[in-house]
Amino acid sequence: GQQVMQIPQYQHVQEGEDFTTYCNSSTTLSNIQWYKQRPGGHPVFLIQLVKSGEVKKQKRLTFQFGEAKKNSSLHITATQTTDVGTYFCALGPTDKLIFGTGTRLQVFP
Amino acid sequence: GAGVSQSPSNKVTEKGKDVELRCDPISGHTALYWYRQRLGQGLEFLIYFQGNSAPDKSGLPSDRFSAERTGESVSTLTIQRTQQEDSAVYLCASSLGVAAGYTFGSGTRLTVV
Repeated sequence: GQQVMQIPQYQHVQEGEDFTTYCNSSTTLSNIQWYKQRPGGHPVFLIQLVKSGEVKKQKRLTFQFGEAKKNSSLHITATQTTDVGTYFCALGPTDKLIFGTGTRLQVFP
Repeated sequence: GAGVSQSPSNKVTEKGKDVELRCDPISGHTALYWYRQRLGQGLEFLIYFQGNSAPDKSGLPSDRFSAERTGESVSTLTIQRTQQEDSAVYLCASSLGVAAGYTFGSGTRLTVV
């Protein structure tokens, strides 16, 4: 079946440093979505990528879909304490999303 | 309502008892999903409803788990004869369709003692 690896599993950064999480699939994807889950909260939809090589930005967050549509990355520039949480990629669409294992980000002030 | 509503927010039950979890999706969202999240883990797909189509039950871990949805509204997830390994947060999500982002509820934290 489809396997979704996210690396790293954990990342601790000093506030102001950059952060990147990577999502890799064993199969070619139709699209990929990214979610953020704050500690004690529920996942919140961030963005969807559809096209090969697509790059989308949301303020300090940059999302990229690989040319072969088998991988994706989320990059945060100049992290803030509000960025703390777990970031999940989710593979689709077929009929339901398969979530990656997540990357837990901790930001120290 | 404005968001996905789940109830109860917390449930403690004795091993062997049945529990019923409820999800009210966003009005107009045709797709509804149930996921399970164990402590510190990722999201495990359980079941998916799309309109009036037959549900995709491929993620249900055993026959003790079942779910129903009335039309395009409320869904209930039932766990019979609960076991300690059923302890987790059960998350419900709804969306406009297969290619749309999901809106999750706050979840039901189930503890089996």
